[in-house]
Amino acid sequence: GAGVSQSPSNKVTEKGKDVELRCDPISGHTALYWYRQSLGQGLEFLIYFQGNSAPDKSGLPSDRFSAERTGGSVSTLTIQRTQQEDSAVYLCASSRGGTGVTHEQYFGPGTRLTVT
Amino acid sequence: QQQVKQSPQSLIVQKGGISIINCAYENTAFDYFPWYQQFPGKGPALLIAIRPDVSEKKEGRFTISFNKSAKQFSLHIMDSQPGDSATYFCAASIVNIGGATNKLIFGTGTLLAVQP
Repeated sequence: GAGVSQSPSNKVTEKGKDVELRCDPISGHTALYWYRQSLGQGLEFLIYFQGNSAPDKSGLPSDRFSAERTGGSVSTLTIQRTQQEDSAVYLCASSRGGTGVTHEQYFGPGTRLTVT
Repeated sequence: QQQVKQSPQSLIVQKGGISIINCAYENTAFDYFPWYQQFPGKGPALLIAIRPDVSEKKEGRFTISFNKSAKQFSLHIMDSQPGDSATYFCAASIVNIGGATNKLIFGTGTLLAVQP
């Protein structure tokens, strides 16, 4: 079946502009995660959704970052007033979800964001 | 306490040799330890994972060794092939605590090059 898809694959934006990154999880996966991969910080967790709720937003680096998920499926990560330090690859992962149970996380190909 | 330390940063192995990558953690609440493989321009792909109730898990040429008392785990790639050349990440998460989100805490990665 189809894996996790993300769009766009690449995004170049000017400092100060807002960007939206999209994630389509694997069908039926209730858990969705956003991670960021950068040279300086490695792979770091941003936010977790279970269904449409986000019980863990602890990794969002500032209030310029927000995310939503609708219909228990597609998620959008929004970065407002982008800064050069936001340049990174933004990765989305999904899993079957549920606490107390180990469910493998499957990653999408990522969106490479470059802020000029 | 949330860190996962990974070594070496890079590794060169001859074809047919054994590649060994090590990780260490501090948080004893971690109870799920996956390894991911990442090729350039792709998202991380789950290779193999282990829970702390076993000391070793083998899948094909890939083996995880887990030492709970030392809080260490390692990935062994037997009969390494040029196609194994990639970046490998260890990770850890908490599953079996109420409210746990299973968010992954990643090591810093190991760039493996298998020479033909």
